[in-house]
Amino acid sequence: GEEVAQTPKHLVRGEGQKAKLYCAPIKGHSYVFWYQQVLKNEFKFLISFQNENVFDETGMPKERFSAKCLPNSPCSLEIQATKLEDSAVYFCASSPGLAGGPGTDTQYFGPGTRLTVL
Amino acid sequence: SQELEQSPQSLIVQEGKNLTINCTSSKTLYGLYWYKQKYGEGLIFLMMLQKGGEEKSHEKITAKLDEKKQQSSLHITASQPSHAGIYLCGADIGGAQKLVFGQGTRLTINP
Repeated sequence: GEEVAQTPKHLVRGEGQKAKLYCAPIKGHSYVFWYQQVLKNEFKFLISFQNENVFDETGMPKERFSAKCLPNSPCSLEIQATKLEDSAVYFCASSPGLAGGPGTDTQYFGPGTRLTVL
Repeated sequence: SQELEQSPQSLIVQEGKNLTINCTSSKTLYGLYWYKQKYGEGLIFLMMLQKGGEEKSHEKITAKLDEKKQQSSLHITASQPSHAGIYLCGADIGGAQKLVFGQGTRLTINP
């Protein structure tokens, strides 16, 4: 598609429950990124993929967070045993993967999934 | 401490007035991106600056990146109600394509 699609728009989970978020990148884009936005517009990078391979996972809390980008399927971000502090808006972005080097590739963002953990 | 400092955090201007938002880093930026976020929505890409001294314009919005590639400004001329929202600067600081963001500037346009 022409836009990054994210589902669901809103997700409510009780503490300890699992949450799974989905992202369909723009068709033809090679890179997918996940960011977490908490209060006061604080964005935190979580993980990025180059096609189906993990590119950078330095931002992922590995104990409970996992992510996948499988061929012919939407990418997913899964949180096992959610905690109250996981409440945030989770944004997915995709980029074409230009060969121009760092800083040349524009990331296009989806509308986000608002996760509320009660 | 924030890797990207954005100022001001909040701005209220009269419709028709000009305004400027600044974004500063202590590190060299590989790419500087300006996004706009409407309340409760996703980020809309505005412009990307890569080269020192670069300047880009789109409609009434102009963005510049200084020669040292450590500071950028976003200037809106003759502001309109449609310009209201949160403006975010994002940058690839480490060259690894993951973006860091400023705190955002909440722009309100009064009629």
